[in-house]
Amino acid sequence: DGGITQSPKYLFRKEGQNVTLSCEQNLNHDAMYWYRQDPGQGLRLIYYSQIVNDFQKGDIAEGYSVSREKKESFPLTVTSAQKNPTAFYLCASIPHPRAQHRTGYTFGSGTRLTVV
Amino acid sequence: GNSVTQMEGPVTLSEEAFLTINCTYTATGYPSLFWYVQYPGEGLQLLLKATKADDKGSNKGFEATYRKETTSFHLEKGSVQVSDSAVYFCALSVDSGGSNYKLTFGKGTLLTVNP
Repeated sequence: DGGITQSPKYLFRKEGQNVTLSCEQNLNHDAMYWYRQDPGQGLRLIYYSQIVNDFQKGDIAEGYSVSREKKESFPLTVTSAQKNPTAFYLCASIPHPRAQHRTGYTFGSGTRLTVV
Repeated sequence: GNSVTQMEGPVTLSEEAFLTINCTYTATGYPSLFWYVQYPGEGLQLLLKATKADDKGSNKGFEATYRKETTSFHLEKGSVQVSDSAVYFCALSVDSGGSNYKLTFGKGTLLTVNP
């Protein structure tokens, strides 16, 4: 079955460390997205990519970086510059950017990142 | 800009009660509207959608009608079950013909259904 796989499910980071969250999809979707979810704040867009080798900042990109070297993969790095990284991170995709006007996103099951 | 305002929770109901979760929006353009559901510890799943005015989206007993005159897309279910306990998100997308495509989400409403 096609879908989005996020790993790991739980991740612990020490202060000052960079960590990378994996997002892989086998849906042949062009566009991929990273959202951060905090209690009471809904979903906030971090980065998105509408095509391989291209990506744009979302609303809260500071302290994060991404790459899109392959269509199937859109990893997110949480750098030490992100002051409050503890959150639930969700990856999503759609067949192509304009499809979201007609279809919904497909979401992964998320990664819960905790700073220790 | 685009924004979504939904009813603040938490909402607690007894099994078989009637559910309404309010959602209103502002949009520059003609949006499509969505409801997503998030079960504990999981990602979001698309629950239903409507792409034009007066469309009714429905799925699993849930319904929402796209009301352009009131800029609303309220979620309803006639008889909730314990298994409906989850967080519900209202969202919109506007096809402006440009290159900046993204969904705008509300903050979510936590629903708890007690037996």
